[in-house]
Order: sequence, then structure tokens, then C-alpha cells
Amino acid sequence: KNQVEQSPQSLIILEGKNCTLQCNYTVSPFSNLRWYKQDTGRGPVSLTIMTFSENTKSNGRYTATLDADTKQSSLHITASQLSDSASYICVVRVRGGYNKLIFGAGTRLAVHP
Amino acid sequence: GAVVSQHPSRVICKSGTSVKIECRSLDFQATTMFWYRQFPKKSLMLMATSNEGSKATYEQGVEKDKFLINHASLTLSTLTVTSAHPEDSSFYICSARDSGSYTGELFFGEGSRLTVL
Repeated sequence: KNQVEQSPQSLIILEGKNCTLQCNYTVSPFSNLRWYKQDTGRGPVSLTIMTFSENTKSNGRYTATLDADTKQSSLHITASQLSDSASYICVVRVRGGYNKLIFGAGTRLAVHP
Repeated sequence: GAVVSQHPSRVICKSGTSVKIECRSLDFQATTMFWYRQFPKKSLMLMATSNEGSKATYEQGVEKDKFLINHASLTLSTLTVTSAHPEDSSFYICSARDSGSYTGELFFGEGSRLTVL
């Protein structure tokens, strides 16, 4: 069964600290993995897209990693800011499944001053 | 960057009425758009895939007659919640796939908060 599991479910950190969010998937065949940021009451915004051959991809203070062998991905946030408070969703696309996306439940991050 | 516009962002209606939500891709063409429903503190749940010029494909358990989807053009899809009831209250989000993108990049709308009284 295609599944995407994220951990932790929620996280509280202090402003300026780093944090790492995890995403494990059992999706097959794999096409790509995306991380989205969703502010409360808003639509998700893409942070990164990673294909099978990519190990690391950065977008400002966000760095995503992908280990296709272990089917794990992480999103590392550096020097967190209050505006980073949001839900972070890991989404895996099934190859050949015509836009079949498997959504993780998300990690709710709260950055406190 | 690519933008998907959703309207209205918030709507309150009486039980029994119908509500239409629009999803527009502003600077790209989208032969395929998607409609999701999101419950509080939960992730997005795909409701249906909207295909330009043809019928929408609904996920299992989603009532076709309840949630009418029309993909009238390459830049517009609409979701109509018919005879709305309080249990239909939810956050509805659309996404559009850039037809010209190799990776099939998806862009999400800002969402529409429906409250049925």
C-alpha cells in the first residue's frame, strides 16, 4: 500500500534554532518527492521537488534530502524564523500513475520567540 | 511564479443552498486540475481530478452528484457543492498542473473555507 508517513506530528522550537522533519514513504513506483509549506488557512506552497537521482536540494534556509534506497526524506530548516510556523507536507508522486499523489499528514511546526 | 487563484476564499451559506468555488490558473494552461478537502489539522484529501473537456474523475467515496465539477477551459475549473449541509463545512483547495512543465509541477490555490449553517 502506498503510504507517506511524517514525523514528528508536531514540533515546537525557539526562534533561531534548526530543526529537521522526517518523511518515510512506501510509494512504488516512485516518481518524485515534494515538500510543501502550508500556512494556516492557506494553500500549500512548494518548497522543493526531488527526483530519484537527487540527494540534496536547497531553497534558502530549507534543505531537503532524499535517500531513495531507504525511502526516506528529510527537510532541514536552518535559523528558524517566526514565519516558519506552518504545516510541512511531504508528497510523493507515483510514477505512471497519472498525477497520483500520496500526501503525508504533515508536521505542524511552531516557532516561538 | 505560477499562480492559482481560488474564489471565494470564504463563504457562508444556509443549509440546502448550492455554492460554487472557482479555481483559475493565471499564467499557465492546466488540462488537469485537482480538488481537495482538508479537515482541521489533517492533510489534504483528494476528492476528484478535473479534466478539461471531459468528465471529472472522482475518488472512491466522493459523491458525484454532491460535488459537481466542471472544467470549462484550460484555465478554469469549478466545484459546486450542491444542497450543502453542515457536514460539508470544510476547507476546499484546488491545484493545477502546469501542462507545459516537464515535471508536472503542481500549484495550489489559496483554499476556500466553506461554512454551512
